[in-house]
Amino acid sequence: RKEVEQDPGPFNVPEGATVAFNCTYSNSASQSFFWYRQDCRKEPKLLMSVYSSGNEDGRFTAQLNRASQYISLLIRDSKLSDSATYLCVVTSTGNQFYFGTGTSLTVIP
Amino acid sequence: EAGVTQFPSHSVIEKGQTVTLRCDPISGHDNLYWYRRVMGKEIKFLLHFVKESKQDESGMPNNRFLAERTGGTYSTLKVQPAELEDSGVYFCASSHPGDPYEQYFGPGTRLTVT
Repeated sequence: RKEVEQDPGPFNVPEGATVAFNCTYSNSASQSFFWYRQDCRKEPKLLMSVYSSGNEDGRFTAQLNRASQYISLLIRDSKLSDSATYLCVVTSTGNQFYFGTGTSLTVIP
Repeated sequence: EAGVTQFPSHSVIEKGQTVTLRCDPISGHDNLYWYRRVMGKEIKFLLHFVKESKQDESGMPNNRFLAERTGGTYSTLKVQPAELEDSGVYFCASSHPGDPYEQYFGPGTRLTVT
């Protein structure tokens, strides 16, 4: 069973739309949670950490549900520049990252 | 401040040959990680250095892979002999000792074994 599961998409949405990505993780002992963004043929870059109380950064909102082992990312008012692959990342007791396969987003003009 | 750099950006080698990948972490980052993405799969952890010591090498696929970080600065990952299934993108990441979870990734080395 994979550590982290994501819907690969692709998600194709018009500019201005709201889109939500979900991710589940298998290890109930997981400790830290992140969303990374990866542009085509580039390195992953940290988008935001995910906290138990939920957190917001501009148009981006991340939620964590430990009971259901579920993480979400909501993007409001989508921009063309949001087109990328969004990677769900989970850590357990060590520092190693467990990645999902990523969800592809294309924002259409 | 310079980010994580990796060399080469691309490498094409034949099965059975040897390849050495290099990673230069951000200055002051004691933590250095190697990851690999095989086509169609998720990015997977290979190993973690703290300074020059291997903290966790549980993700190394087999003994054809050898990682070193002599002096605790840059790291190398050698694949010898390379097999077809070693093809993929090898990412290096580093993090500051005070914030190990904020990992900064390098641009990756795209390895193709033919």
